[in-house]
Amino acid sequence: EAQVTQNPRYLITVTGKKLTVTCSQNMNHEYMSWYRQDPGLGLRQIYYSMNVEVTDKGDVPEGYKVSRKEKRNFPLILESPSPNQTSLYFCASSGDRGKNTGELFFGEGSRLTVL
Amino acid sequence: DQQVKQNSPSLSVQEGRISILNCDYTNSMFDYFLWYKKYPAEGPTFLISISSIKDKNEDGRFTVFLNKSAKHLSLHIVPSQPGDSAVYFCAASARFSGGYNKLIFGAGTRLAVHP
Repeated sequence: EAQVTQNPRYLITVTGKKLTVTCSQNMNHEYMSWYRQDPGLGLRQIYYSMNVEVTDKGDVPEGYKVSRKEKRNFPLILESPSPNQTSLYFCASSGDRGKNTGELFFGEGSRLTVL
Repeated sequence: DQQVKQNSPSLSVQEGRISILNCDYTNSMFDYFLWYKKYPAEGPTFLISISSIKDKNEDGRFTVFLNKSAKHLSLHIVPSQPGDSAVYFCAASARFSGGYNKLIFGAGTRLAVHP
């Protein structure tokens, strides 16, 4: 089954404690991206990657890091989480069709709470 | 400044009636428009899209209309069913450097279809 898998699905942590949210896709997609969803703001892009070792900032990259060492994996790293990073996070990937339309396949989401 | 706006946070419709969800955008460079549906505790899933060169696209009970002069699109669901109750995100797509289109999302509209 084609899917984007994120872990953990739910996490409560404290300010300053480094954490990583993993993302893996099995569709051989080149493009991967992270979004955060906040009430009244919709989904905003944090970082994206067009291929292995190619990453770039989205609209809200502050406080986040990413890496793309393998095509299927795109982890999101919060080096020193702060309460304003409490949010619902989505990883997404896109194949050839998405090159023209932007269509994305999303994971199930990771709800992060920073105390 | 939000480039994609969904001004109605919520909509309530009776089963069997038409649901109309609206979306406005500001950037005339957008070349595709997409609608995503999101159930609680799940990731957004692609529903329907329309190219900027078209004014209508239909898929079963779902129809998207695009009015480029007004920079407005709408999603019609006929007839509405209780299983359609979800949050609907409007998204617009534009080509950025690197060859992939980027999606910019609205804030979402929560649709409730009641018996």
